[in-house]
Amino acid sequence: GAVVSQHPSRVICKSGTSVKIECRSLDFQATTMFWYRQFPKKSLMLMATSNEGSKATYEQGVEKDKFLINHASLTLSTLTVTSAHPEDSSFYICSARQGNYEQYFGPGTRLTVT
Amino acid sequence: GENVEQHPSTLSVQEGDSAVIKCTYSDSASNYFPWYKQELGKRPQLIIDIRSNVGEKKDQRIAVTLNKTAKHFSLHITETQPEDSAVYFCAASRTSGTYKYIFGTGTRLKVLA
Repeated sequence: GAVVSQHPSRVICKSGTSVKIECRSLDFQATTMFWYRQFPKKSLMLMATSNEGSKATYEQGVEKDKFLINHASLTLSTLTVTSAHPEDSSFYICSARQGNYEQYFGPGTRLTVT
Repeated sequence: GENVEQHPSTLSVQEGDSAVIKCTYSDSASNYFPWYKQELGKRPQLIIDIRSNVGEKKDQRIAVTLNKTAKHFSLHITETQPEDSAVYFCAASRTSGTYKYIFGTGTRLKVLA
């Protein structure tokens, strides 16, 4: 089956610093990847849609200058949380679309900003 | 905007009983409906999906039904086992355009041994 990896799995950073999270599709090419944020005991909130070779499409209310997304290849998308603050602490999950239907999720990254 | 309502938010059943989770979507152009199971701290795992050209799909103890007219779809788990305990999310998606999923709010299923 389709495998998506995410790195790092956990990261702790200080307020004001930036953190980069990588999402890779390991055994398929993904023209579209998605970035989600999940609060404890809540659903997945779509942050942005990342298309290879073009700018990401951000959902309403998501700051594009704060959450920088780059999709430089068919197997890699990155999310950079810039100038992180404690309220950015969350579980960030990516997914990669295979074909016209299924999305396969990465294992998630737990970000803690101190 | 588009949204997906999911009920119930929590569900407790005795081992061996059936569990039913229901979702209603608003975007009439949605034509793909996956269900995901998420264990604590883990990634969501696709357990079953259905496309709009069929009304029912079954995979062993899991089945999904779709009523496009009512914009309603349901997950049915029979002969529940303790390992079925998790949070279940439904989603609705178009298969053109952005392909983004609209997720339901989740159902926390507890199977009591």
